[in-house]
Parts: sequence; structure tokens; C-alpha cells
Amino acid sequence: QKEVEQNSGPLSVPEGAIASLNCTYSDRGSQSFFWYRQYSGKSPELIMFIYSNGDKEDGRFTAQLNKASQYVSLLIRDSQPSDSATYLCAGFNYGGSQGNLIFGKGTKLSVKP
Amino acid sequence: DVKVTQSSRYLVKRTGEKVFLECVQDMDHENMFWYRQDPGLGLRLIYFSYDVKMKEKGDIPEGYSVSREKKERFSLILESASTNQTSMYLCASSTNMAWDYGYTFGSGTRLTVV
Repeated sequence: QKEVEQNSGPLSVPEGAIASLNCTYSDRGSQSFFWYRQYSGKSPELIMFIYSNGDKEDGRFTAQLNKASQYVSLLIRDSQPSDSATYLCAGFNYGGSQGNLIFGKGTKLSVKP
Repeated sequence: DVKVTQSSRYLVKRTGEKVFLECVQDMDHENMFWYRQDPGLGLRLIYFSYDVKMKEKGDIPEGYSVSREKKERFSLILESASTNQTSMYLCASSTNMAWDYGYTFGSGTRLTVV
């Protein structure tokens, strides 16, 4: 069973701090990974994707991928209360005719003013 | 931007009713998916489709069926609604290059079965 694991949280950080969200995956064949943000009662929204080892930065967000350790992370710098949401990690699984995304259950982030 | 539209935001149905959830995407995506999301259980894949008139079972297809008569529309059908199908239902779509672009989700339908 190919899985993506996340700590469910909640992860609580003060405003202005760095929030670090982590994800591990079981399928060594997974090549690309996605981070989705989901506000309470809303649908998931894609915020970052990464497929190369190392870091990828977009504004206050940095995604990190370590394929040897099968580990993906999302760093949010200068965290704001508006970043409070559940963050879903997903890995692309190449199995089957088209492949599909395997989602973790999400980590709930709370940024305290 | 790709838009995935789910016809109802909130729906209340009675046990035993046949329920139709509609999803339409406007960017000519080949692939469409239906998930349900419950607290603590994450997203669970119900059915998906890689082409018109094609469907494949996901992880939890029991009690559900789907229809894809047109490329842009993917319908989820609850044949006889039960209270354990009370959930948030999310439709998603993607190109055939989902490894590069991921999925785009609709706004969701919160279904309550009473």
C-alpha cells in the first residue's frame, strides 16, 4: 500500500515564526509532490509542487524534497494568522494507466497572533 | 484558471433517496475524480475517470456509482443514501500530466443524509 504520512497536529506557532510541516512517503517511485492548503469548510488549493531534490521557494513558502530519505517538507516563513489551515501533502504515484495523487491526511496549522 | 464547479454547496437528503452530485470542469481536462473527506480520515477516493464513458473504482466505491457521458461532466450517484454517507464530497480534475500540475478541486458539496 503506497502511503503518504503526515503528523495531524495541530501545529501551533506564533505570528512571525517559521512553520515547518513534514511529510514522508513510502513509494520510492514517486517523483513529484504537491502541497495543498485547505481552509476550514473549503476545498484544497494547490500552493506548491516540487519534483527535484533540494529546495523550491515561492514567496514565504519553501518546499523541500529529500528522495533518499523519502521526506518532503513545507516551510512557511513569517507565519500569519491567515496561514491557519490544514496542509495536505500529496505524492504522484505512477501506478496504473495514468497514475494518481496519493494524499496524506493533512496537518492542521494554527498561527497565533 | 481551471474552474471546477460543483452544482450544490450544501445538500440535505433523506435516507433511501437517490442523490446526484454534479461536477463540471471548463478546461478540457481528461481526468476527473470524486473524493469524500471526513474528519480524521482525510481524502478518500471514490471513483475516477480518465476518459469519457470510462470509470474506475477508487478505494471506497461501495454505495456509489458514477457517470461520465461528456468530457467536462462527471456525476456521482448515491443509489440509496444512508446516514453514513453524510460527508464533504470533493470533485477534482487534471490533465494527463498530473505529475506536473496536480489536481484542481471544486468547492465541495457538504451532504447531510437524515
